[in-house]
Amino acid sequence: SQTIHQWPATLVQPVGSPLSLECTVEGTSNPNLYWYRQAAGRGLQLLFYSVGIGQISSEVPQNLSASRPQDRQFILSSKKLLLSDSGFYLCAWSDRTPNGYTFGSGTRLTVV
Amino acid sequence: RKEVEQDPGPFNVPEGATVAFNCTYSNSASQSFFWYRQDCRKEPKLLMSVYSSGNEDGRFTAQLNRASQYISLLIRDSKLSDSATYLCVVNGGRGSTLGRLYFGRGTQLTVWP
Repeated sequence: SQTIHQWPATLVQPVGSPLSLECTVEGTSNPNLYWYRQAAGRGLQLLFYSVGIGQISSEVPQNLSASRPQDRQFILSSKKLLLSDSGFYLCAWSDRTPNGYTFGSGTRLTVV
Repeated sequence: RKEVEQDPGPFNVPEGATVAFNCTYSNSASQSFFWYRQDCRKEPKLLMSVYSSGNEDGRFTAQLNRASQYISLLIRDSKLSDSATYLCVVNGGRGSTLGRLYFGRGTQLTVWP
């Protein structure tokens, strides 16, 4: 069966510090991968999606970036965090159809 | 115009009540429809897919009206454990990015004893 792992669960980072969140999927090949952010009391905002290794599309311009160095690995990064980057970050995967998304358990980021 | 619109609620109902959530979508070419459930401070989880003929899963019934571009979720005999936010989800349809799903902002439900 397919599983998705996301870490860390909670992160508190100072303004201006770098960020690296990692997501890995097991039990499937060539998945679509997604990074979402959910600010407190808000809806899901798609940040990046990837349909293959090295293929990254950005939905919203910001100081975040994403990379897909391996088929089942998706990384969200920032060189310098802003206060507005605080939120709940969710990684998700889907097949090509898709038959819905499966989300990781999320990372709650607080920038202080 | 947003791809998916939902009434944010909140809906506060007693145990045993029947509650209905509605959702509209803007892309007439959309082909896949889902309801997700999100508990407080947790990730969204797939509740059920929505099929053209309507479908039922226990106390939950989902319906789709393509002509009106409208999706509904009916919860019968509400339980305390049904308290959560319910997200309406629609795919992008032909011409959009393969696999892209659009999420509504969610409808918050609280079931009280």
